[in-house]
Amino acid sequence: DAGVTQSPTHLIKTRGQQVTLRCSPKSGHDTVSWYQQALGQGPQFIFQYYEEEERQRGNFPDRFSGHQFPNYSSELNVNALLLGDSALYLCASSYYYSSGNTIYFGEGSWLTVV
Amino acid sequence: GDSVTQMEGPVTLSEEAFLTINCTYTATGYPSLFWYVQYPGEGLQLLLKATKADDKGSNKGFEATYRKETTSFHLEKGSVQVSDSAVYFCALLSQGFQKLVFGTGTRLLVSP
Repeated sequence: DAGVTQSPTHLIKTRGQQVTLRCSPKSGHDTVSWYQQALGQGPQFIFQYYEEEERQRGNFPDRFSGHQFPNYSSELNVNALLLGDSALYLCASSYYYSSGNTIYFGEGSWLTVV
Repeated sequence: GDSVTQMEGPVTLSEEAFLTINCTYTATGYPSLFWYVQYPGEGLQLLLKATKADDKGSNKGFEATYRKETTSFHLEKGSVQVSDSAVYFCALLSQGFQKLVFGTGTRLLVSP
């Protein structure tokens, strides 16, 4: 049973560029959330997708956008990259209607903005 | 809003020592509580969880008890190993939501 998979693992971008990160949820899960983890910090919630719609959003600017596909996989897009966007981006999957929900994380995508 | 407070690190221990990492939370309603572990260069792994008051989560020798009266979820292990060296995150999941709120993490360093 594959867990949460993310790609790419590492990438380097230049300020002002755009980036797309991808995530496939764990088998049987229908909900994908994205988190940003800056160096030395705890993960911060960006947004969550269920049924191809954004259901919740954290305190991130509109430069951060996402999408969920019919197969439940998801993309995170960041436009007009800033140096401060350098971080580990974590994808998490879960089943929407599970009480006491267990949320599983992927290995993350390390983004460096130069 | 909901928040989690963890003890600052690093926590430095010798192998076989007893470990406690303190975690307290602020939340409305009845959150679920989690401990995640992050090894160097890796993502987050779920270590244990508890979904209601007085529940005890346990895994790989680690334990934590959901204490509603003190709003705490302290992580303990009776005898740590070098391989336990990692960053540990306490987190809560608000009732009715699927957004995890994390503490800032506590780095554990275990020496032989």
